[in-house]
Amino acid sequence: NAGVTQTPKFQVLKTGQSMTLQCAQDMNHEYMSWYRQDPGMGLRLIHYSVGAGITDQGEVPNGYNVSRSTTEDFPLRLLSAAPSQTSVYFCASSFSSGNTIYFGEGSWLTVV
Amino acid sequence: KQEVTQIPAALSVPEGENLVLNCSFTDSAIYNLQWFRQDPGKGLTSLLLIQSSQREQTSGRLNASLDKSSGRSTLYIAASQPGDSATYLCAVPNFNKFYFGSGTKLNVKP
Repeated sequence: NAGVTQTPKFQVLKTGQSMTLQCAQDMNHEYMSWYRQDPGMGLRLIHYSVGAGITDQGEVPNGYNVSRSTTEDFPLRLLSAAPSQTSVYFCASSFSSGNTIYFGEGSWLTVV
Repeated sequence: KQEVTQIPAALSVPEGENLVLNCSFTDSAIYNLQWFRQDPGKGLTSLLLIQSSQREQTSGRLNASLDKSSGRSTLYIAASQPGDSATYLCAVPNFNKFYFGSGTKLNVKP
C-alpha cells in the first residue's frame, strides 16, 4: 500500500538545468496536485489535475509544466531552473477536491 | 481569492494540557475543511475532514469544529502528549484548488 510516491527525495540543480519530479499514486485517485512549501509562506498550489488528460494552473505555475497521461502519474517539470525555485515540493492526491487529501513525503530541491 | 490564517504561529505547552488551534478563512462558501499534521522533514497527514454540513468531527483526542458563518475552525487537542509535537495546518477548497494556512508549530514539553 504505497499511497503517493515522489522521486527524487533530494536534488541539487544548477541554474538553467531542467528536471522532472515524479509522482505516482496507487489509490485510483482522479485529483492530483503539486505544491511548493517555503518558510513563512505555507503551501502554494503549482498545478493540479482532475483526471487523465486534464490539467490546470494553480497559484504559482510559472516555470513549471505538468502532464497527466495516466490516472496514476503526475510529473512536474522544471523547464529552466532558477534559484527562486529552491523549495520543498509535495505531490498530493484525492478522489476529488471534496475528499481527504493524501500527500507524498516531499522532494527537496536546491538550485545553485 | 481565499485567504487562510492560523494563529498562533507557534505554541509551547506542558504535557497534559488541553489546547486549541485556530484557523480562519475569508470566503465562507466552502464545502469542507481539513486539518493536517506535518512532522519535520515529512509530508502532511490528514487528521480530520469536516464537511460544511457538519459542525464537529472527532478522532480520538482530537476534535475539530467548523463555523462557516464566522469563517473559523478550531482544532482541540485533549491531554496533549510530547508525541503531538508537530506543525498543524488547515486547508479549505475553492472549486478545485486548495488553500492552506501557514500552520501552527506545536511543542509539547514533557
